[in-house]
Amino acid sequence: GENVGLHLPTLSVQEGDNSIINCAYSNSASDYFIWYKQESGKGPQFIIDIRSNMDKRQGQRVTVLLNKTVKHLSLQIAATQPGDSAVYFCAEGSGGYQKVTFGTGTKLQVIP
Amino acid sequence: DAGVIQSPRHEVTEMGQEVTLRCKLISGHNSLFWYRQTMMRGLELLIYFNNNVPIDDSGMPEDRFSAKMPNASFSTLKIQPSEPRDSAVYFCASSLNARAHGYTFGSGTRLTVV
Repeated sequence: GENVGLHLPTLSVQEGDNSIINCAYSNSASDYFIWYKQESGKGPQFIIDIRSNMDKRQGQRVTVLLNKTVKHLSLQIAATQPGDSAVYFCAEGSGGYQKVTFGTGTKLQVIP
Repeated sequence: DAGVIQSPRHEVTEMGQEVTLRCKLISGHNSLFWYRQTMMRGLELLIYFNNNVPIDDSGMPEDRFSAKMPNASFSTLKIQPSEPRDSAVYFCASSLNARAHGYTFGSGTRLTVV
């Protein structure tokens, strides 16, 4: 995709370590948050979501944490693998419409 | 399920030409979103439909862009006339209930206008 470039923050992690990707959102009215993974040449892929009435949600090897006080979202990936290398986007939504706004993305590089 | 299908995968056209991008939704989904991705702006929502009706087209750059859903499973995004600054990767995504499940994206169309 067109997302790879000098403008993206990059996180480099050793294979097997845990990764933490952070996201600050801007809209206090947002009540639904999603993390997406985008591999090179592909569209974003849904990873995990969380509603604003929760502060933590776990999936397979991934955990999303939500801190509404400081408008902060994080994605934790346990035992990072080379296949986790991608750009990760957080997205926020609000209201009754099925519409979300994407953040700028973080590039995760896994070092074998 | 084949997922969201976009065509073409790559399009190279000359400035001033008409470009039509196509998207087939996942069967049963009722929402359709067109996004544009560039290095400078990231992922931008252009327009989205719910049950074939355009709900929000505030992201459409200008009148040169138009989108349609002639039926519940298919959508087109047209640029006429195209300009070099339209070069980007265009994604469509479909959803049954975005708030619960998130979107399913297609693989995108890489558009280059020369």
